[in-house]
Amino acid sequence: DAKTTQPNSMESNEEEPVHLPCNHSTISGTDYIHWYRQLPSQGPEYVIHGLTSNVNNRMASLAIAEDRKSSTLILHRATLRDAAVYYCILRDVQNAGNMLTFGGGTRLMVKP
Amino acid sequence: GAVVSQHPSRVICKSGTSVKIECRSLDFQATTMFWYRQFPKQSLMLMATSNEGSKATYEQGVEKDKFLINHASLTLSTLTVTSAHPEDSSFYICSANPGETYEEYFGPGTRLTVT
Repeated sequence: DAKTTQPNSMESNEEEPVHLPCNHSTISGTDYIHWYRQLPSQGPEYVIHGLTSNVNNRMASLAIAEDRKSSTLILHRATLRDAAVYYCILRDVQNAGNMLTFGGGTRLMVKP
Repeated sequence: GAVVSQHPSRVICKSGTSVKIECRSLDFQATTMFWYRQFPKQSLMLMATSNEGSKATYEQGVEKDKFLINHASLTLSTLTVTSAHPEDSSFYICSANPGETYEEYFGPGTRLTVT
């Protein structure tokens, strides 16, 4: 699977928007961009995924660059409960049942 | 959404003993489940792929005789850490996918401490 690069950590103030970047310059045409997050002492949970177009759901928005070599996860109003490690992962659409390969992720800290 | 459970949530055992961790998909069937291990301050590392009705597939460097995986039904996979040592202390997490979606569902994790 193609590799992703994320900053090790980011800080945000509560109730402000957060933009978490991810670089994936070697992405292939069949790779979906997935985001998961892991709260302390819990298993990861799905946040959002997309292929080419920007995506919105109740948790977040995903902005995908036109060349698909980067993407940004947007939390519109950070809360203290959003403090977690956020993982950007590429998954081949042809292998949806395959395992996820986790990189280092971005540790998001939210200040009150 | 779909739910994956793990039992126990935490376990402490003595060195040399074996520990079994269960992973269940509560409202869907999964022919494949995945087992991950996570050490403190590190990311998740895939250990093995559990296949219902056939042998598990282990990642390089993971001893299959030490980490026994049994996928006895479409809703249950077990990971047994045999002859546990302190270096096996870790957070073990399983995941499964209903197959109808690209969303992977993770269990809450099992924290193993070997004394």
